[in-house]
Order: sequence, then C-alpha cells, then structure tokens
Amino acid sequence: DAGITQSPRHKVTETGTPVTLRCHQTENHRYMYWYRQDPGHGLRLIHYSYGVKDTDKGEVSDGYSVSRSKTEDFLLTLESATSSQTSVYFCAISPGGAGEKLFFGSGTQLSVL
Amino acid sequence: GENVEQHPSTLSVQEGDSAVIKCTYSDSASNYFPWYKQELGKGPQLIIDIRSNVGEKKDQRIAVTLNKTAKHFSLHITETQPEDSAVYFCAASKTGNQFYFGTGTSLTVIP
Repeated sequence: DAGITQSPRHKVTETGTPVTLRCHQTENHRYMYWYRQDPGHGLRLIHYSYGVKDTDKGEVSDGYSVSRSKTEDFLLTLESATSSQTSVYFCAISPGGAGEKLFFGSGTQLSVL
Repeated sequence: GENVEQHPSTLSVQEGDSAVIKCTYSDSASNYFPWYKQELGKGPQLIIDIRSNVGEKKDQRIAVTLNKTAKHFSLHITETQPEDSAVYFCAASKTGNQFYFGTGTSLTVIP
C-alpha cells in the first residue's frame, strides 16, 4: 500500500479513553492525511499535514488532534473517544502535493464501546 | 466547499456486461478527478484519473469521461469480471486543496 503502514489494524476501546493511531510512510513525502470512512458518507478528511509540525484541520476535525514530529510518522489522537468515532480510519499520502494523487494505507478499524 | 454526488449506490451486472458509475461536482474550479476501487478490508486504490483539460481517458477495460460544462464525470468498466466486484469511489479536487469524495458505489458482477 504505497509504503504506508497503519497501526494498529484493529482496536476496541471504551468511551472516554484516549486512543492514538499511527501512520508510517517509508518515502518521506510532505503531504499526509487522515480520513475516516463511514457508510453513506464516503471518505471525509479529519486532518492533514504538509510537513514536520505543519498541520491543519479538515472537514471533520472536532474531537481529533494530530502530531507530526518526524516526516515519516503522522499520529491521530482521540483525546476522549466517543461512540460516534467508531469508524475505519485511513492514512494517505500525496507524493505530488495537495490536490494530487492520493495513496491510501490499509486502514484501522476502531470500535468505541 | 465542493460537493460530490455519486450514483448509483449499488449496481449489479452480469459478467461480461458494462458498468457505468456517475458523479457530479459543484465547484467549477475543480480540476482533478480520480476514481478509487476498494476491496473488502483494504484501503482505496487509485484505478484511473482524469484532469480538466481532457475529456476522456482509457486504460484497458476502464475509462473515465469528463463533461466540464455539466460538471459530471463517469467511470465505465467494459467486459466486467467477478474480480471487478468492489466499492468504487469518485473524488474531485483542485490544485493545492483537499479532496472531496462521493459516497461510493458497491458493484457486484454476477458470474
């Protein structure tokens, strides 16, 4: 999957607990993204990064934070997980820059009980 | 922001027949339109894309057409095979901006 590794692949957690999802890329691309996928909504952008320590919000960023301390790693944190955050989360990279071809990881299935 | 609508949400075809999935977009400044195929348990994979300066693009059995005036683009799959069964997503973006995705079409190819 385009040199992208997401971890964990599956996680079950309880409401109110913090959760961190990790995305690792092997090719040092600047642009990295976090999406969530829900039935009837397609893929929606949560946050994105255009370099180390450079991040910005997407259309569904409430309840999520991100960090990028190294080019290869982009972390997504749910500070206090809620049932509405049960979803499949995908990391993506765009080697050509913002608005160019997106390549996705294999996803993380998160269940918040 | 951009709004991308995709139809139909489900599509069943007989093996060997053609399948067509349509998307419309709202922002006339959008200039890049990719299509993704997603198999069960996997991430979306880019299968074909088209830019606004091109009306049609083909790659073997798949093709994409773009009508900028009407603001719609379509994915065409000919001679469908069982391995084409998957969920397909369209998307739209403009240079330097984020992608907006359609809600997906679940395609089933019946052997």
